[in-house]
Amino acid sequence: DIQMTQSPSSLSASIGDRVTITCRASQNIDSYLNWYQQKPGKAPTVLIYAASNLKTGVPSRFSGSGSGTDFTLTISSLQPEDFATYYCQQSYSMPSWTFGQGTKVEIK
Amino acid sequence: QVQLVQSGAEVKKPGASVKVSCKASGYSFTNYDINWVRQATGQGPEWMGWMNPNSGNTGYSQKFQGRVTMTRNTSINTAYMELSSLRSEDTAVYYCARRSRATIFGVVFYWFDPWGQGTLVTVSS
Repeated sequence: DIQMTQSPSSLSASIGDRVTITCRASQNIDSYLNWYQQKPGKAPTVLIYAASNLKTGVPSRFSGSGSGTDFTLTISSLQPEDFATYYCQQSYSMPSWTFGQGTKVEIK
Repeated sequence: QVQLVQSGAEVKKPGASVKVSCKASGYSFTNYDINWVRQATGQGPEWMGWMNPNSGNTGYSQKFQGRVTMTRNTSINTAYMELSSLRSEDTAVYYCARRSRATIFGVVFYWFDPWGQGTLVTVSS
């Protein structure tokens, strides 16, 4: 199975900060990497698919990059509504999917 | 709008079974696979399996093979996930999710969108 490792597991940041979350795959997954945001008590929602493609309607302060084994989700200027937990997901080994363990973004 | 609506919370005893429903609306139900994912408190999501609503074909995570069954009723645009031999470790929120797709430079990519609102299954004696 492909393992997905996110870092950090949590971070504290202020409004307006630039935030970077990293996801590493245990083997090459090309660009088959998605990013989700999850708020407490809610289902995850997709932000980025295919490593760098912004889902329609998602604010442009979110961006994704990377390929192979190393990927990054960046929030260019953190907003109050961005405090949430973020997960990466690989679709390379579909139909078997795996998620990272999550990165919780908290208010400093 | 595209939407998945799941059945309500369940409380089950160890050894029992649970069946969760997922009703689709706003799109052609048979055109997109439905996946099931569960999430225990404080943990990341865990993929359980998929079902093609058109053919009824399924595929399950090895972890749940033998305990999970995914079915559908196309007349009411509803998918079902049944998990048997429940134990306390199965306590979690269970989600259905549509497998969405896009073709980028000739390559097809997939992700989950939308998700249902989740169904809390509690296993307790």
